[in-house]
Amino acid sequence: AAGVIQSPRHLIKEKRETATLKCYPIPRHDTVYWYQQGPGQDPQFLISFYEKMQSDKGSIPDRFSAQQFSDYHSELNMSSLELGDSALYFCASSPAGSGGAYEQYFGPGTRLTVT
Amino acid sequence: QKEVEQNSGPLSVPEGAIASLNCTYSDRVSQSFFWYRQYSGKSPELIMSIYSNGDKEDGRFTAQLNKASQYVSLLIRDSQPSDSATYLCAALNTGGFKTIFGAGTRLFVKA
Repeated sequence: AAGVIQSPRHLIKEKRETATLKCYPIPRHDTVYWYQQGPGQDPQFLISFYEKMQSDKGSIPDRFSAQQFSDYHSELNMSSLELGDSALYFCASSPAGSGGAYEQYFGPGTRLTVT
Repeated sequence: QKEVEQNSGPLSVPEGAIASLNCTYSDRVSQSFFWYRQYSGKSPELIMSIYSNGDKEDGRFTAQLNKASQYVSLLIRDSQPSDSATYLCAALNTGGFKTIFGAGTRLFVKA
């Protein structure tokens, strides 16, 4: 079965650089979520999109932005990178129904290292 | 109170035993709950979802939801060493498009 695809899988950037993470959801899934997970921490919700519109926002820094495109893939843009941005970034997708989205399926993650 | 709370463990059980993982939640979440398993350095993997009071069984896993007491649990029967992982309890917020995770419970199954 098709899974969520994320690229790149690993990314090394220097402080103050920018990074773009991409997520391709499972076919026919219209909702995408982004999470940040630091070492030993639970995933922290960043932002979600439903039908190409932002549906909810969590603890996403102002330096980060994201969008969902017409083909439902999503990109997370990160600028002015800081050392503290080093983490695993997961994307998840879900089919949505009335009242909100349901089971989420996670991609393999992008490991971002800021040096 | 945090929206979703779990005992971080670690929880250690012998192989073949039943592992019981618990989670409590606040009024600030919806009635959609999920259990994920996460191996170190890997992405969370959905195990079960539960929306109604009572039990839901899938193979060796049983999820239980008690809305009156605001807790969700996951039972793993015949625990195997390969079940050793962090188990994350999660709930949707009332808007339905934000998932709130608990801190996760680390489970060790001893051979």
